[in-house]
Amino acid sequence: EIVLTQSPGTLSLSPGERATLSCRASQSVSSSFLAWYQQKPGQAPRLLIHGASSRATGIPDRFSGSGSGTDFTLTISRLEPEDFVVYYCHQYGNSPRTFGQGTKLEIK
Amino acid sequence: QITLKESGPTLVKPTQTLTLTCTFSDSSLTTSGVGVGWVRQPPGKALEWLALIYWNDDKHYSPSLKSRLTITKDTSKNQVVLTMTNMDPVDTATYYCVHRPNIGAFDIWGQGTMVTVSS
Repeated sequence: EIVLTQSPGTLSLSPGERATLSCRASQSVSSSFLAWYQQKPGQAPRLLIHGASSRATGIPDRFSGSGSGTDFTLTISRLEPEDFVVYYCHQYGNSPRTFGQGTKLEIK
Repeated sequence: QITLKESGPTLVKPTQTLTLTCTFSDSSLTTSGVGVGWVRQPPGKALEWLALIYWNDDKHYSPSLKSRLTITKDTSKNQVVLTMTNMDPVDTATYYCVHRPNIGAFDIWGQGTMVTVSS
């Protein structure tokens, strides 16, 4: 099973700043089958990025994904107030599918 | 776009079997490559993938829970059913139904249903 480790656990930034979230896999993720989800309190997760770098439908271009192999990054270029929530990475290239433990983005 | 809705009991007793139903709005589970699955999230904790069933009835389970899970589909009703046996308080969680299109990631999620395991 691939273990996904997200860092940091909590990231404190201010609106307008740039956020860089990391997801490291315990072994290489097949074909960059890595996704990022955003979860607001009391809501279901929302797909942001799939295939490591492809934005899902309707996702603003301030969200971008990069990486391959075992190291992946979600970047939010200019933080908006609604971005201060929890983010999860997810690998779906190897069975079983696994999720990271999440990164909470909080207002500094 | 497709919508998913979970239904089932909100409270089950330890050792009982949980049955959850996901009803979706179109017949996408008859489309090649498409799957519908389940993900759960204990309160304040991370997401955990449970099971996935594909259009061709191929089924995949989390290895750690495989002995307790069964996933089935009824395409005539646009439904997927998950059963989990021998429920325990640690299974208390919000259970989400998810749609897996050909991109592979879960693009659509149901609103989730909270299940509490308690005597």
